[in-house]
Amino acid sequence: GQNIDQPTEMTATEGAIVQINCTYQTSGFNGLFWYQQHAGEAPTFLSYNVLDGLEEKGRFSSFLSRSKGYSYLLLKELQMKDSASYLCAVSDSNYQLIWGAGTKLIIKP
Amino acid sequence: IAGITQAPTSQILAAGRRMTLRCTQDMRHNAMYWYRQDLGLGLRLIHYSNTAGTTGKGEVPDGYSVSRANTDDFPLTLASAVPSQTSVYFCASSDPTDNTGELFFGEGSRLTVL
Repeated sequence: GQNIDQPTEMTATEGAIVQINCTYQTSGFNGLFWYQQHAGEAPTFLSYNVLDGLEEKGRFSSFLSRSKGYSYLLLKELQMKDSASYLCAVSDSNYQLIWGAGTKLIIKP
Repeated sequence: IAGITQAPTSQILAAGRRMTLRCTQDMRHNAMYWYRQDLGLGLRLIHYSNTAGTTGKGEVPDGYSVSRANTDDFPLTLASAVPSQTSVYFCASSDPTDNTGELFFGEGSRLTVL
């Protein structure tokens, strides 16, 4: 079967750095996505990785290792507004998205 | 404001009733999707449409139907609602010419079936 694993919840301190991991087992691979979802709101796109390596976008970076079936989202200089759920999703061989259950990130002052 | 509009925002429904969730987009995206989101589970695809006039089944299609008469609208119908269909429903769209496949989501419809 296909599955995406990510931690259920993480806690970090304002101003710090946090890394949210995602491991996947899918039939085929056509890219990995990270989305941010604030409570009661819609998911919004953060990043897309299809090649191995690190993609940096401001305070957020996303890393992919296809051989290990592994990705992480790195958030730097954490702000209170970063408190949200972070969803990992993989596009499989049919270009269908397989979603993880999401990681709820709690930021403390 | 450009994007995806869903209606209603929330609804409480008696079991056995018919319900249609509306979804309209103004981005002229060919592909549209309906997902449900339940606590502790990832988003699950119910139905999708790659272009107007075509639809396909996702991971959890039973009890749901869709239509795609034009590019902008993609309604989701529950023919006879059951309590297990209590969930938050998200409509989404994507531009197939965008090589990232980014999804754009509506604000969601929270449905409670009693």
